Amino acid sequence: NAGVMQNPRHLVRRRGQEARLRCSPMKGHSHVYWYRQLPEEGLKFMVYLQKENIIDESGMPKERFSAEFPKEGPSILRIQQVVRGDSAAYFCASSPGTGYGGQPQHFGDGTRLSIL
Amino acid sequence: AQSVTQLDSQVPVFEEAPVELRCNYSSSVSVYLFWYVQYPNQGLQLLLKYLSGSTLVKGINGFEAEFNKSQTSFHLRKPSVHISDTAEYFCAVRGTDKLIFGTGTRLQVFP
Repeated sequence: NAGVMQNPRHLVRRRGQEARLRCSPMKGHSHVYWYRQLPEEGLKFMVYLQKENIIDESGMPKERFSAEFPKEGPSILRIQQVVRGDSAAYFCASSPGTGYGGQPQHFGDGTRLSIL
Repeated sequence: AQSVTQLDSQVPVFEEAPVELRCNYSSSVSVYLFWYVQYPNQGLQLLLKYLSGSTLVKGINGFEAEFNKSQTSFHLRKPSVHISDTAEYFCAVRGTDKLIFGTGTRLQVFP
């Protein structure tokens, strides 16, 4: 399966712990996007990255959240000192990144984060 | 600013009946429109997209959508639904990079 791979699929953390969510884009894709889906809501954009660069982080909370997409390896969404309100499904998407806005984004199956 | 409104949060329909899921958008730049489907505990799967050209777009699983610039709409249709079409459907607009999603429409198909 050459699709977008996210892991883990489910993650349980206690309040105050750190959560790390990983995303490997589709083969040949150099652009990664992270979205958050709260219960009974649509997806909200968080951050857009290219290799070693954050392009748009306008949807990221100002504190505790960070993202990276290193030259080698998957993209990581990191949430420090998690709180109950961080419970959500986090989706990663990738696109080829030719600069053409019509390129569809391909989504992974998401990581469901639960905070105890 | 761009936005998407999905007018119906839930649409119940009987199997083999036609269905229309409504989507209206606002955008001040070139419009690229998408419909995605989400099955339970899964990610989003692209159903179809409108980039330019013909206003009637055909997608997978028998779905189609019509782009109407004057009404700023991009409604999704299927002439005959199946039980397996039960899912959440999201309309999205893309201007530069990120996707802006509507709140979703839950399609429930009954036998």
